[in-house]
Amino acid sequence: SSELTQDPAVSVALGQTVRITCQGNSLRSYYASWYQQKPGQAPVLVLYGQNNRPSGIPDRFSGSSSGNTASLTITGAQAEDEADYYCNSRDSSGDHYVFGTGTKVTAL
Amino acid sequence: QLHQSGPGLVQPSQTLSLTCVISGDSVSSDTAGWTWIRQSPSRGLEWLARSYRRSKWWHDYGASVKSRATISPDTSKNQFSLHLKSVTPEDTAVYYCARDRPTGDYLMIDFWGQGTLVTVSS
Repeated sequence: SSELTQDPAVSVALGQTVRITCQGNSLRSYYASWYQQKPGQAPVLVLYGQNNRPSGIPDRFSGSSSGNTASLTITGAQAEDEADYYCNSRDSSGDHYVFGTGTKVTAL
Repeated sequence: QLHQSGPGLVQPSQTLSLTCVISGDSVSSDTAGWTWIRQSPSRGLEWLARSYRRSKWWHDYGASVKSRATISPDTSKNQFSLHLKSVTPEDTAVYYCARDRPTGDYLMIDFWGQGTLVTVSS
């Protein structure tokens, strides 16, 4: 089982805000990155570090971190944001990278 | 770009071998890392191995495969490979190669291979 825990599923009404969380002890020491994955596709980086977006990622995606929790927030969700989202960081030993368990976001 | 190749079917107890050919960058780049990740319904996304060159070659492995995996960069062919020995049906997954940028804390992957479904079965 992963050392980074995410809620299995969340839903959001179009245009509303949804927050996806990633919990793990290692997050007290390390920042996280976030990936979006749509069916049949490889994951895509949407957020990294304290609150950084790669080029081409809309500014409705934002991030934060507090204690043992990293968060990805989608403000004004769009239909195309429906996807699986995974966090990534170090494990508690710091020696290995781990992915979170994943959150399926459904747009209503 | 990253282009993966390798068998889609591997027999139990055998060695799974995948190769990722790099175009548009160098496996010896000191601003990139070269990573293998797999994904299955039962195990989710799982980081397997990473290779990078910073004056010398460094290789890191995920805890779950550390004793069975070898990542091998090949500078002459500008590619890197994953060899996973003694496979079981639990190793059935989609395998991805990827390029990441050094951050320390997390994987910052900006390019992925196309993915290869590997089934372990007799």
